[in-house]
Amino acid sequence: QKEVEQDPGPLSVPEGAIVSLNCTYSNSAFQYFMWYRQYSRKGPELLMYTYSSGNKEDGRFTAQVDKSSKYISLFIRDSQPSDSATYLCAMSVSRAAGNKLTFGGGTRVLVKP
Amino acid sequence: GAVVSQHPSRVICKSGTSVKIECRSLDFQATTMFWYRQFPKQSLMLMATSNEGSKATYEQGVEKDKFLINHASLTLSTLTVTSAHPEDSSFYICSAIVPYNEQFFGPGTRLTVL
Repeated sequence: QKEVEQDPGPLSVPEGAIVSLNCTYSNSAFQYFMWYRQYSRKGPELLMYTYSSGNKEDGRFTAQVDKSSKYISLFIRDSQPSDSATYLCAMSVSRAAGNKLTFGGGTRVLVKP
Repeated sequence: GAVVSQHPSRVICKSGTSVKIECRSLDFQATTMFWYRQFPKQSLMLMATSNEGSKATYEQGVEKDKFLINHASLTLSTLTVTSAHPEDSSFYICSAIVPYNEQFFGPGTRLTVL
């Protein structure tokens, strides 16, 4: 079993719909949770960074963390064709220098005009 | 966010040659840089952790003599793929981290070994 599980998709939605992404994990030591967006043949771009449980909102993006269930989510409101990309969740045990990220496999999202 | 660059963005080489990839943090000093490898439609696989002024720490299964990493300054780390073979063809991505901060990724380098 992988430490971080993520549905590979593809997830296809019409423009304007809400995109719902999630990851589950097995290591209860994870405390920092990130969502990255990766366009084809580009490096990942950090979208959201959250610590411990709770919600965090930034524009059209909302990240949720439920540590009791070992489950994190990313919601994209009013989705646009430019949101079509692969979304990777990542998590870490600590924030100290030299800390490693553990990635999910990524979910490919396609927003259709 | 912080900017990380990689050079070259794409390289094609013959089997048996060595290829060097540079990773630079442009507007901050990075004490730690990471090197990842990504195959098509797969997630990032951490290869090694590079700390300025010290030897890199390689993940299990990654050949340190095959993938030479040098972190000579706080803004530059290099990955050299030695005696490259077609199975080394992949997308190589670096990232840089400032202590107690987020990890920022470079744009990646696509290596094709013929």
